[in-house]
Amino acid sequence: QVQLVQSGAEVKKPGSSVKVSCRASGGTAGTYAIAWVRQAPGQGLQWMGGVIPMSGITDYEQKFQDRVTITADKSTSTVFMELSSLTSGDTAVYYCARDGGASYSAFFGYFDFWGHGTLVTVSS
Amino acid sequence: EIVLTQSPGTLSLSPGERATLSCRASQSVTSTYLAWYQQTPGQAPRLLIFGASIRATGIPDRFSGSGSGTDFTLTISRLEPEDFAVYYCQQYGSSPWTFGQGTKVEVK
Repeated sequence: QVQLVQSGAEVKKPGSSVKVSCRASGGTAGTYAIAWVRQAPGQGLQWMGGVIPMSGITDYEQKFQDRVTITADKSTSTVFMELSSLTSGDTAVYYCARDGGASYSAFFGYFDFWGHGTLVTVSS
Repeated sequence: EIVLTQSPGTLSLSPGERATLSCRASQSVTSTYLAWYQQTPGQAPRLLIFGASIRATGIPDRFSGSGSGTDFTLTISRLEPEDFAVYYCQQYGSSPWTFGQGTKVEVK
């Protein structure tokens, strides 16, 4: 059974950075791309970007291009999402999610398994 | 980017009734690359449908998806108590992948 286990809740100051992790286990965990999707309080879902761990290929939503970095550690099947220059508008639950297909070079783009979410609160 | 507009915003129905949810795209979605997710309070989204009409593993057959181009529909044939939730559509035919704003299905 595929599981995505995320790191714990964070409280950050405006202007700082946060790094959230997502460890995959079960199935062929390391062969699928992992994406990050966030959800502000009471709001909908927003795709931020993703990484294909086997190749290191990344794709980012342009709105976050300058502030987000998604990396993968193949040895531990862990993916990291770092978001910098935080503002109160970045307060949200951040989910990692597994891409729907296994590929070395392409994202499928839909998400069949999700982590439990990590609440990031940005407050002075 | 492709903007997805879901309607209605809220659907008030009783258990056993049929639910019809709409998702309209601002431009044609490539190759029916459209997914539907269900989210209950405090939980992560759950994949229901991908490829516009393919049920994900373990999803009951009361859930069905249809549509192509710019108009897509999720139908729940007979609502069970656990189906009252928020539903999101998502397109993955053109990066950036985008989600609709959601339709809440609530108990009437």
